Amino acid sequence: GAVVSQHPSWVICKSGTSVKIECRSLDFQATTMFWYRQFPKQSLMLMATSNEGSKATYEQGVEKDKFLINHASLTLSTLTVTSAHPEDSSFYICSTPGQGGSYTFGSGTRLTVV
Amino acid sequence: GNSVTQMEGPVTLSEEAFLTINCTYTATGYPSLFWYVQYPGEGLQLLLKATKADDKGSNKGFEATYRKETTSFHLEKGSVQVSDSAVYFCALSVAGTGRRALTFGSGTRLQVQP
Repeated sequence: GAVVSQHPSWVICKSGTSVKIECRSLDFQATTMFWYRQFPKQSLMLMATSNEGSKATYEQGVEKDKFLINHASLTLSTLTVTSAHPEDSSFYICSTPGQGGSYTFGSGTRLTVV
Repeated sequence: GNSVTQMEGPVTLSEEAFLTINCTYTATGYPSLFWYVQYPGEGLQLLLKATKADDKGSNKGFEATYRKETTSFHLEKGSVQVSDSAVYFCALSVAGTGRRALTFGSGTRLQVQP
């Protein structure tokens, strides 16, 4: 079946630095990628939707200059958390629509900002 | 808008007990309904889904029936195992002019004791 490879699976960074998270679709083309954030013991909240070759659409309250999304090819979408702060510590997960109304999720990235 | 309401957890059961996790929804349009499971330290996995009224999704002993009249999609399992301990998310998507992201409930943590 469809697989989305997400890296890194976890990262610890210093406050003020930037972190890039990659999601690659393996053996299929992902024209759309959804990016979610999950705080501890909470649900997944949609942050933004990226479409290959166009600008991402951000949900209300999500800073587009802080969470940079690039979807330059049909197999790679990236999320860069710029100037990360401790409140950005969270679990980030990508997802792409598949065949028959299904969705394929990456395995997630646990970001800890110290 | 779209929303999903799940019963709050944690739900603690003994092995072989009967499980019900309630889920109700509101949607603009005709939604597809999903249950996802998240095991500790892992990403989301599709457990089951239903795309139209009265459909029953089932997998690994779990089942849920799409009830349009009560806007519900309750998850049930007749006999839980310790290995079922995880967080369960009810979700919906509504197809429109483009593929839409999933809207998730808050998640219900299930703890099964031996």
